[in-house]
Amino acid sequence: AQSVTQLGSHVSVSEGALVLLRCNYSSSVPPYLFWYVQYPNQGLQLLLKYTTGATLVKGINGFEAEFKKSETSFHLTKPSAHMSDAAEYFCAVRFMFSGGYNKLIFGAGTRLAVHP
Amino acid sequence: DGGITQSPKYLFRKEGQNVTLSCEQNLNHDAMYWYRQDPGQGLRLIYYSQIVNDFQKGDIAEGYSVSREKKESFPLTVTSAQKNPTAFYLCASRSGYNEQFFGPGTRLTVL
Repeated sequence: AQSVTQLGSHVSVSEGALVLLRCNYSSSVPPYLFWYVQYPNQGLQLLLKYTTGATLVKGINGFEAEFKKSETSFHLTKPSAHMSDAAEYFCAVRFMFSGGYNKLIFGAGTRLAVHP
Repeated sequence: DGGITQSPKYLFRKEGQNVTLSCEQNLNHDAMYWYRQDPGQGLRLIYYSQIVNDFQKGDIAEGYSVSREKKESFPLTVTSAQKNPTAFYLCASRSGYNEQFFGPGTRLTVL
């Protein structure tokens, strides 16, 4: 069965520290992978995506993620956390179904706290 | 500006009432989706539609209904059969194989 696992429902870092949010997925075919960010009471905003090609992808706000097929992982990183990065982050994988339908499977989310 | 709008932002429902959440997009996207978000559970798919006049049940469709009469509109009705409707509802749309774009959400509370 397709699934997405985000390790750690809550992550806390100091301002200026490295941010690492973990995502592992299960898929029998090459996946399309996404990271979204959500601020309180708002919709989701795309941070970055991997479809094909270069496995290290850069997104908005200084975030990047690396697709590692052997580890079935797509961890999100940022070298230096800013207070404005405090939000909830969701990893998602696109799965295709018969009939040409596709849908995103989301992880449960990781809430990032940034303290001074 | 192109985007997705959802209304209302906050909605209160009495038990036993049906309510309809609006979702409109002017991105000319073919596919549209409805998700439910509960704390600690991520997003769960309620219904999706690939084209006009076609829609499919998602993972938690019971107690919900949708229609897709126009490309730009995908309203969601929360019926009285939905026993625990209090949640944050998100609408999204997608073009081709690209990522999904999300609306700002509607927070539904049952009184």
